[in-house]
Amino acid sequence: EAQVTQNPRYLITVTGKKLTVTCSQNMNHEYMSWYRQDPGLGLRQIYYSMNVEVTDKGDVPEGYKVSRKEKRNFPLILESPSPNQTSLYFCASTPGHSSYNEQFFGPGTRLTVL
Amino acid sequence: GIQVEQSPPDLILQEGANSTLRCNFSDSVNNLQWFHQNPWGQLINLFYIPSGTKQNGRLSATTVATERYSLLYISSSQTTDSGVYFCAVVAFGTASKLTFGTGTRLQVTL
Repeated sequence: EAQVTQNPRYLITVTGKKLTVTCSQNMNHEYMSWYRQDPGLGLRQIYYSMNVEVTDKGDVPEGYKVSRKEKRNFPLILESPSPNQTSLYFCASTPGHSSYNEQFFGPGTRLTVL
Repeated sequence: GIQVEQSPPDLILQEGANSTLRCNFSDSVNNLQWFHQNPWGQLINLFYIPSGTKQNGRLSATTVATERYSLLYISSSQTTDSGVYFCAVVAFGTASKLTFGTGTRLQVTL
């Protein structure tokens, strides 16, 4: 089944404890991105990647890192999480870096930073 | 940047009723999608519709790109239709970044 998967789905952690949220897609998509969703602020893009080894900042990149070593994987790294990073996170992918393509989202990761 | 507005913000329907959700956007777009966010938070793709009309069962959508709006029609609503409906667009020159609207929260009651 074609899909975008994320792990973990739920995570409660403490301030400063490094964590990684994994994202994987099995559709051979070139473009992948991360969004966060917050009440009153909607969904905002954190980082995106047009292809392997090509990443760039979105609208809210502060406090996050990403890497794209393989086409299928695009992990989101929080090196020193803070409470303001408590949010619902989504990974998305689309066939090419052209914007004329449908995008597909993972199931979401609900993160709480205490 | 591009602005995406959805209306109404909230909608309560009885099961079986029909509804129309609207999405207005402030600039030309390459891509427009409709999503349903279910009560568990998952974003479900409904339509990829940068222009024209599409139908999928009880749902249909129309985008008039030249007039910068899209409509989502829900017919014979069911309680499982409850959740938040988002319109999202990719503006020219933004490298596939989706800009989401503020959403319409739909509640379908028995």
